[in-house]
Amino acid sequence: SYVLTQPPSVSVAPGQTARLTCGGNNIGANSVHWYQQKPGQAPVLVVSDNSDRPSGIPERFSGSNSGHTATLTISRVEAGDEADYYCQVWDTESDHPDVVFGGGTKLTVL
Amino acid sequence: EVQLVQSGAEVKKPGESLNISCKGSGYSFTNYWIAWVRQMPGKGLEWMGSVYPGDSDTKYSPSFQGQVTISADKSISTAYLQWVSLKASDSAMYYCARHEDIFDPWGQGTLVTVSS
Repeated sequence: SYVLTQPPSVSVAPGQTARLTCGGNNIGANSVHWYQQKPGQAPVLVVSDNSDRPSGIPERFSGSNSGHTATLTISRVEAGDEADYYCQVWDTESDHPDVVFGGGTKLTVL
Repeated sequence: EVQLVQSGAEVKKPGESLNISCKGSGYSFTNYWIAWVRQMPGKGLEWMGSVYPGDSDTKYSPSFQGQVTISADKSISTAYLQWVSLKASDSAMYYCARHEDIFDPWGQGTLVTVSS
């Protein structure tokens, strides 16, 4: 089955740029979606289809996807961005479509 | 506003059965899949399976096939996640989410605790 690999943690100072990666075999051929989960809350979609931003999500959130790595970039990081972030794809190469989540990255704002 | 509202927290004993629910509003419930996602304490998100309320078509993750039953009642815009015999290892937060390719929005979650 398809595996998505995320670093367990990333730390960044306020105002700096955070880059959260999601690795997978030829992930660039997939559409990658990113979810933010703050403590005690349900996940929220922050980037869809590699780089689209849903209504209400700040422009500071952007995404890219190429080769074997997708990246969620958060510019001008704020304390309120501290959360767990999950990438997600559909594995269409298995016998039946399967949803795959990465293990998640905890973003700490120093 | 598109919204999914889940049933409340449950405390059960091993071997008991359980049915939790997810009610959709603000959109055509029959036209979107509803997924169930497990999150064990301190862990990540795991897709369990999905139901299409329009025709009750269901798809399961191989990891959860045979362990749970996912269903929907389109007449009341509600999806269900059912266990016949709970285990302590079923203790987790369970989320429902509307989806096509993307999961959006999500319900608020239902905490299930299984303990003797």
